[in-house]
Amino acid sequence: QVQLQESGPGLVKPSETLSLTCTVSGGGSISSDDWSWIRQPPGKGLEWIGYIYYHGNTNYNPSLKSRVTISIDTSKNQFSLKLSSVTAADTAVYYCARPDFSTGTVDYWGQGILVTVSS
Amino acid sequence: EIVMTQSPATLSVSPGERATLSCRASQSVSSNLAWYQQKPGQAPRLLIYGASTRATGIPARFSGGGSGTDFTLTISSLQSEDFAVYYCQQNNNWPWTFGQGTKVEI
Repeated sequence: QVQLQESGPGLVKPSETLSLTCTVSGGGSISSDDWSWIRQPPGKGLEWIGYIYYHGNTNYNPSLKSRVTISIDTSKNQFSLKLSSVTAADTAVYYCARPDFSTGTVDYWGQGILVTVSS
Repeated sequence: EIVMTQSPATLSVSPGERATLSCRASQSVSSNLAWYQQKPGQAPRLLIYGASTRATGIPARFSGGGSGTDFTLTISSLQSEDFAVYYCQQNNNWPWTFGQGTKVEI
């Protein structure tokens, strides 16, 4: 059973960089699986931010591409999200997740972390 | 980007009744369509993929149908634990996109 746990600051100031980390445990292998970030503004729908293949290649949502970086740290069994130049519109629950490309879905999710952008 | 539109926004039903949720894509997504259930304070849970295949452990009362641009999720006899928000998601074109959700309430 793959377990995912997000961590990072719950409050970020406008124009700064949001940084989150997802720790993988249980049945997941950071170096052989693919990983993703998805977000959900309060009371709204879900938005796919991007994903990183196990070999390090990435694919980002074009609407966020200029501001997003997803990376992997195999030594810590973690992957990370950086979102620069944040505004209030980036306030959301951020989920780390494991995509299943054979079905085009997410089979494992973290519990989510609320990040508020406010001064 | 493919826009997914779900209807209705809210569906009021009684336990034991049948519920039918709709999802429409702005262009064809073939059968590359999934459904998720989300309860308050929880991450979504995968119900259906490939438009009609139930995910592991999902009860048979959940069924999906459709292809191209029009899809449905049917819950044949609503149980108390089924009251939640349901999202459709296309994975035909990147970025994969979700609908805005249908809330199924008592």
